[in-house]
Amino acid sequence: GQNIDQPTEMTATEGAIVQINCTYQTSGFNGLFWYQQHAGEAPTFLSYNVLDGLEEKGRFSSFLSRSKGYSYLLLKELQMKDSASYLCAVREGKLSFGAGTTVTVRA
Amino acid sequence: ETGVTQTPRHLVMGMTNKKSLKCEQHLGHNAMYWYKQSAKKPLELMFVYSLEERVENNSVPSRFSPECPNSSHLFLHLHTLQPEDSALYLCASSPYIGSEGKGNEQFFGPGTRLTVL
Repeated sequence: GQNIDQPTEMTATEGAIVQINCTYQTSGFNGLFWYQQHAGEAPTFLSYNVLDGLEEKGRFSSFLSRSKGYSYLLLKELQMKDSASYLCAVREGKLSFGAGTTVTVRA
Repeated sequence: ETGVTQTPRHLVMGMTNKKSLKCEQHLGHNAMYWYKQSAKKPLELMFVYSLEERVENNSVPSRFSPECPNSSHLFLHLHTLQPEDSALYLCASSPYIGSEGKGNEQFFGPGTRLTVL
């Protein structure tokens, strides 16, 4: 099995930056995904990391350190529409998800 | 709007009822998945199909019965469920099964909100 840990909730102000951390413990590793899920909607793919380093995609960036079993999702220039749950998922054969981090963006 | 649709979006059923959830993907993918999402818990993978063949069954109770008649359609047949089975059931698809990363992300449907009375 896998342990995938991420904070339950985070709150930030519109225009600010928020970093969501994810740590995992697995016997194998074939990539880490971040998904965004708005309340009542389907999860949607945000990013994928399989090598160490930072992947930047517009206002969102994802970082991976395989040796530390650690990733983070960085959300910049926060907008109200970024209020959602952010799911960290690790692939070891199958895809296993963390419980998600609910981000609330306040004006 | 995603290329994965699910019906019904909401379902309320008694413990003695039999119902089915339907998923359809319009993306030409070869792999399809059923997940269970309970409040404040991680998504739980239930079943995985690749080209209509079941490749994974994660110790799911037999009251949940999947069916994959073709690579575009996936069903989850429900019978004699328990109240603790109330959850959001999500269907997903991906181009293929495997560890190839980028480009093989899963696309999720909107889910069926199931309430068992």
